[in-house]
Amino acid sequence: EVQLLESGGSLVQPGGTLRLSCAASGFTFTDYAMSWVRQAPGKGLEWVSTISDGTYYADSVRGRFTISRDNPSNTLYLQMDSLRAEDTAVFYCARSRGPGEHWFDPWGQGTLVIVSS
Amino acid sequence: EIVMTQSPATLSVSPGERATLSCRASQNVDVALAWYQQKPGQGPRLLIYASSTRATGVPARFSGSGSRTEFTLTISSLQSEDCAVYYCQQYSAWPLTFGGGTKVEIK
Repeated sequence: EVQLLESGGSLVQPGGTLRLSCAASGFTFTDYAMSWVRQAPGKGLEWVSTISDGTYYADSVRGRFTISRDNPSNTLYLQMDSLRAEDTAVFYCARSRGPGEHWFDPWGQGTLVIVSS
Repeated sequence: EIVMTQSPATLSVSPGERATLSCRASQNVDVALAWYQQKPGQGPRLLIYASSTRATGVPARFSGSGSRTEFTLTISSLQSEDCAVYYCQQYSAWPLTFGGGTKVEIK
């Protein structure tokens, strides 16, 4: 069974840093692109970043967030620096096939990040 | 950035009736369009990709259509378990973008 399990979400102060992890299982990790998508409380979905044939970022996080992956451990990461209140959200990791095929399936259950003093 | 606009915001449908959800792209995305279902407290679930291809395990009552800028998700006979928020997403160009969602409820 394909599974994605996020971790690392917590309460952090504005300007702080946090690293999210996503443990993947049930598929050949290196065959797929991986992404982070977030959802602010009561709001819709917002794509954050994808690692595929390169790395791609939403304008709202470029320069502050860094996506990476560790293939031997089947783990996706999101390093988040200079956090702002508007980064408060549930962060989901999701799998996609690759260039030109970036629909997301499956998604993890999400990890909550709260940025507040 | 390609802006995705979904309508209506909320759709009330009687059980067994047809539900029709719309998604409009601000630019041509060909058929690079996916639909997701999200229930409270859960991550989204892929329903449709490439505008009209059902994902594995998705019931046949869900169908997608459209191309370029106009897309439709149809639930042919609404079941109680279909109550959820539905999102469209374009993957034709970066940044990837989602519509604002349509909430489907039972009338």
